[in-house]
Amino acid sequence: TQLLEQSPQFLSIQEGENLTVYCNSSSVFSSLQWYRQEPGEGPVLLVTVVTGGEVKKLKRLTFQFGDARKDSSLHITAAQPGDTGLYLCAGGSSNTGKLIFGQGTTLQVKP
Amino acid sequence: GAVVSQHPSWVICKSGTSVKIECRSLDFQATTMFWYRQFPKQSLMLMATSNEGSKATYEQGVEKDKFLINHASLTLSTLTVTSAHPEDSSFYICSARDPSGRSRSYNEQFFGPGTRLTVL
Repeated sequence: TQLLEQSPQFLSIQEGENLTVYCNSSSVFSSLQWYRQEPGEGPVLLVTVVTGGEVKKLKRLTFQFGDARKDSSLHITAAQPGDTGLYLCAGGSSNTGKLIFGQGTTLQVKP
Repeated sequence: GAVVSQHPSWVICKSGTSVKIECRSLDFQATTMFWYRQFPKQSLMLMATSNEGSKATYEQGVEKDKFLINHASLTLSTLTVTSAHPEDSSFYICSARDPSGRSRSYNEQFFGPGTRLTVL
């Protein structure tokens, strides 16, 4: 069974601080997605990484896929209150099309 | 592109009644849709995979007779919670795969806005 361990599960920081969220597994994934979800809404796709070692940037967000495609990280620089939300990593199975979700990281950025 | 809608956005029902939730892909045809359940401050739990023109595939522990799924067209999947009980109260979210190009290759799913079900 494929599992994704996401950490930390809760994070409360001040505006302007940096943070990193980790997503680890013992399994190899064909792709890994990062989603952001706000209360009462569905997850919104932020990025998909597919190549081992790949780094993608989305403004202040930097996403990295591990060389072995078993882990990923999300780094936010100079966090802002608008970054508050639930961040979810999800690994894709090319066989089934299903996504395996991590436990999620609830981020609160205080002004 | 890749917009998914859900209806209703919230519903309150009495225990013992059935509730139907619709999931539509608005600008693409989705041969596969997924239904998830989410509890407060927790991650998404996959309930079932809905395939157009065939029976849904349910995850272990999900009662197929309680959570009826119908995928009658390439743009619509429905989830019916039968004989609802208070413990069925939750946030239900659907997603769809765009079968064209990169979305299919990269397992990208596009999510609806969710339906908040409250069973009294």
